[in-house]
Amino acid sequence: DTAVSQTPKYLVTQMGNDKSIKCEQNLGHDTMYWYKQDSKKFLKIMFSYNNKELIINETVPNRFSPKSPDKAHLNLHINSLELGDSAVYFCASSHPYNEQFFGPGTRLTVL
Amino acid sequence: QQPVQSPQAVILREGEDAVINCSSSKALYSVHWYRQKHGEAPVFLMILLKGGEQKGHEKISASFNEKKQQSSLYLTASQLSYSGTYFCGTEINTGNQFYFGTGTSLTVIP
Repeated sequence: DTAVSQTPKYLVTQMGNDKSIKCEQNLGHDTMYWYKQDSKKFLKIMFSYNNKELIINETVPNRFSPKSPDKAHLNLHINSLELGDSAVYFCASSHPYNEQFFGPGTRLTVL
Repeated sequence: QQPVQSPQAVILREGEDAVINCSSSKALYSVHWYRQKHGEAPVFLMILLKGGEQKGHEKISASFNEKKQQSSLYLTASQLSYSGTYFCGTEINTGNQFYFGTGTSLTVIP
């Protein structure tokens, strides 16, 4: 039983395209996150959602938008993809102030 | 606001000890520690809450000095399986703001 799942695992696309990454958790957690890990391995928080409300929105381009249809899902939509968007994107979930459980990651490559 | 970790990288022989430090410029509510192996997602090791409590997990333990806004991860008698990149993660008092540190690459060799 996968706790946090992401699809797709790999995503290769052309510059300018729009793409989405899906995330689902079956742990009953209240908070979900999206992280970007670049080639230097830095883990940068992009968004977090608590009970369907955005509580952190880091200085990411507005081409990125999180969508949470319900407490178990937090999808990431990216418009007009750029070369610099190439990275591994991780979804995670947790109870407040508690350990975070990560999904397996989505490796996005923009050509 | 990203915590700074030191050292950036360390190479150990099996059985040796290591300390990884995490320092923040902000007052902290809690510190998390995670390990990430190559090609995998980060995995939770432990969390330390405000109060300076030291926690242990097998041969890995950690401390949290909230006055200095610092945490240290102690790895004793290292094993090959300890290899990976270690990240601290900090929650700031002012809300649910969570930031991962700069990371420390640890390699254990036979």
